[in-house]
Amino acid sequence: DTGVSQDPRHKITKRGQNVTFRCDPISEHNRLYWYRQTLGQGPEFLTYFQNEAQLEKSRLLSDRFSAERPKGSFSTLEIQRTEQGDSAMYLCASSSHRGRATNEKLFFGSGTQLSVL
Amino acid sequence: DQQVKQNSPSLSVQEGRISILNCDYTNSMFDYFLWYKKYPAEGPTFLISISSIKDKNEDGRFTVFLNKSAKHLSLHIVPSQPGDSAVYFCAARYSSASKIIFGSGTRLSIRP
Repeated sequence: DTGVSQDPRHKITKRGQNVTFRCDPISEHNRLYWYRQTLGQGPEFLTYFQNEAQLEKSRLLSDRFSAERPKGSFSTLEIQRTEQGDSAMYLCASSSHRGRATNEKLFFGSGTQLSVL
Repeated sequence: DQQVKQNSPSLSVQEGRISILNCDYTNSMFDYFLWYKKYPAEGPTFLISISSIKDKNEDGRFTVFLNKSAKHLSLHIVPSQPGDSAVYFCAARYSSASKIIFGSGTRLSIRP
C-alpha cells in the first residue's frame, strides 16, 4: 500500500511566479480531491475529479488555479502568478467511489506546503 | 458560510478519562459524517464515520453519536491515550456527488 503521494513536500516561491504540484493517488482509486488548509482552519475544498473528469470546482479556485488529471491517474495543480495569500498547505486525497454510495472515505497525502514570499 | 462548525478550538483531557469532541452542522441535507485525525506535518487520516440513518457507531475506543434533530454530532474517545493528542476534524457530505466539507478542527491534548 503506497498511499497517496504528493510532490514536492515544500515549495518556496516568489510572488508572481508559477508553481505546480503533483499528486499520485492510490492506484485503484477513481476519485481525486484537492484541498487547501491554512493555519487554524480545516481543509477547504478546491476541486475534485472522477477518473479524468473534473466534476466540481470551488469558487475559491480563481482563474489563476488550474487542475488536471490526464488519463485518470496522477493529478497536477498549477497556480499562476502566485500571491502571498496563496501560502497554505495543499492537500490531495483519493477515494474509491461506487455508484450512488455516499460512504466513501478520503485518504490524504502529506500535503505540499507552499510559501509565497 | 461555514456548514460544519467545531466551536472548541482546543480541549485538554487527562489520560485515561473520556474525551468528547463536538461538531454542529447547518445543512439538513447532510447524510454522511466523518471524523479525521491529523498529526503535525501529516495529512488527515480517517478515524470513524456515521450514516444519517444511524445515531451511533462504535469502533474500539471511538464512538460517534449523531443527533439529527439538533444537527449535532460528537466523538467520544475512551479511555484517552497520549497518542490521541492531535487535531480532530469533523466532516460531512450530502450526496454521492458532493464534496466533503470539513470543520475548522479541535486540538486535543492528553495530559498525564
